[in-house]
Amino acid sequence: NAGVTQTPKFQVLKTGQSMTLQCAQDMNHEYMSWYRQDPGMGLRLIHYSVGAGITDQGEVPNGYNVSRSTTEDFPLRLLSAAPSQTSVYFCASSSSPWANVLTFGAGSRLTVL
Amino acid sequence: AQKVTQAQTEISVVEKEDVTLDCVYETRDTTYYLFWYKQPPSGELVFLIRRNSFDEQNEISGRYSWNFQKSTSSFNFTITASQVVDSAVYFCALSEGSSGGGADGLTFGKGTHLIIQP
Repeated sequence: NAGVTQTPKFQVLKTGQSMTLQCAQDMNHEYMSWYRQDPGMGLRLIHYSVGAGITDQGEVPNGYNVSRSTTEDFPLRLLSAAPSQTSVYFCASSSSPWANVLTFGAGSRLTVL
Repeated sequence: AQKVTQAQTEISVVEKEDVTLDCVYETRDTTYYLFWYKQPPSGELVFLIRRNSFDEQNEISGRYSWNFQKSTSSFNFTITASQVVDSAVYFCALSEGSSGGGADGLTFGKGTHLIIQP
């Protein structure tokens, strides 16, 4: 079982560039989410999805876009990258949002110059 | 609003010492879950424990133990006889059920960086 797979692991962007962080899970989990981790800030929720076709905003959604066309995939898009988006991004999934343990991907380190 | 406070930013102890990581939470819900995750230097997030608000029994797993006290809104984590491999960042997190059925995810504390010196 691959679990939650994130790509790429590392990415360097210039301000204004766009990119997509990919997230895929093979556990048939309905719930998927994206967090960002910044030094001294813990993890903060960006966007989440409770199933295919359903997405919603988390605590820090500005500058990010998501879609959920399949149960397996939950990509995170940066339309116009800014230095403030330099962070480590984690995708996570669980069978349902409530009370279940999140399975995290390995993380994607993004640097915006 | 829910909130998780880990007041200890960094703790450094010598191997074999016992160490306790503090976690204080705030919530208006009576139904909620508390979690601890470990983030070793390799960067992945490893689940350690989940506790629901109706179960205040302490839990022990090997050298790890957790003390949940609703009266003080705390969920502290103790490592007994620490080892170098315990060096990591540890996160406490809270999930409430009343708002969106928990869909708005976990609220994480800022983490405690634990350094175990040989």
